[in-house]
Amino acid sequence: AQSVTQLGSHVSVSEGALVLLRCNYSSSVPPYLFWYVQYPNQGLQLLLKYTTGATLVKGINGFEAEFKKSETSFHLTKPSAHMSDAAEYFCAVRQGYTGNQFYFGTGTSLTVIP
Amino acid sequence: DSGVTQTPKHLITATGQRVTLRCSPRSGDLSVYWYQQSLDQGLQFLIQYYNGEERAKGNILERFSAQQFPDLHSELNLSSLELGDSALYFCASSGGTGGNTEAFFGQGTRLTVV
Repeated sequence: AQSVTQLGSHVSVSEGALVLLRCNYSSSVPPYLFWYVQYPNQGLQLLLKYTTGATLVKGINGFEAEFKKSETSFHLTKPSAHMSDAAEYFCAVRQGYTGNQFYFGTGTSLTVIP
Repeated sequence: DSGVTQTPKHLITATGQRVTLRCSPRSGDLSVYWYQQSLDQGLQFLIQYYNGEERAKGNILERFSAQQFPDLHSELNLSSLELGDSALYFCASSGGTGGNTEAFFGQGTRLTVV
């Protein structure tokens, strides 16, 4: 079985500060990992994904995430927060072998303080 | 624009009624996923279809049903509606069965049961 844990349902950072959103997964086979962002009253939008290859993945809007197999983690970071980054962020995992269902975390709400 | 179209955008109905939500996936995507998002339950996976066949089932109530048609559009039917069914319902689509493709989300249908 697969699952995703996002530590911290709410994270607040000051504008210009580092953003760190945590995601840990469990998967019995090599996973594919995704980060999505959801702005108010909108659908989820892909930020970045890890499938194979380089473990440091760069996404849109200056976000990046690093796949660490030994730690079963896929934390999302951004060096300098912007007011427009305030949104809900979801981590998701998916297997490529036995099925292709997406498993989403419970989400982290990011607040950016001016 | 994700390419996934959901109609209607808003729906207000009374308890006990039945509604149908419609989803048109991105061109060429064979998989359709339905999710329910509410404040207290987060993003809940309901059901997945792949090329017309049910592929995976999540926390979908017996009062809810879905299907995917030959043209790949999908409908989610919600019956005997209760106040607790009020939520955002998202449809997502992805291509193929490989795990390395992301899901593309529609803008959602906001259902309000009064």
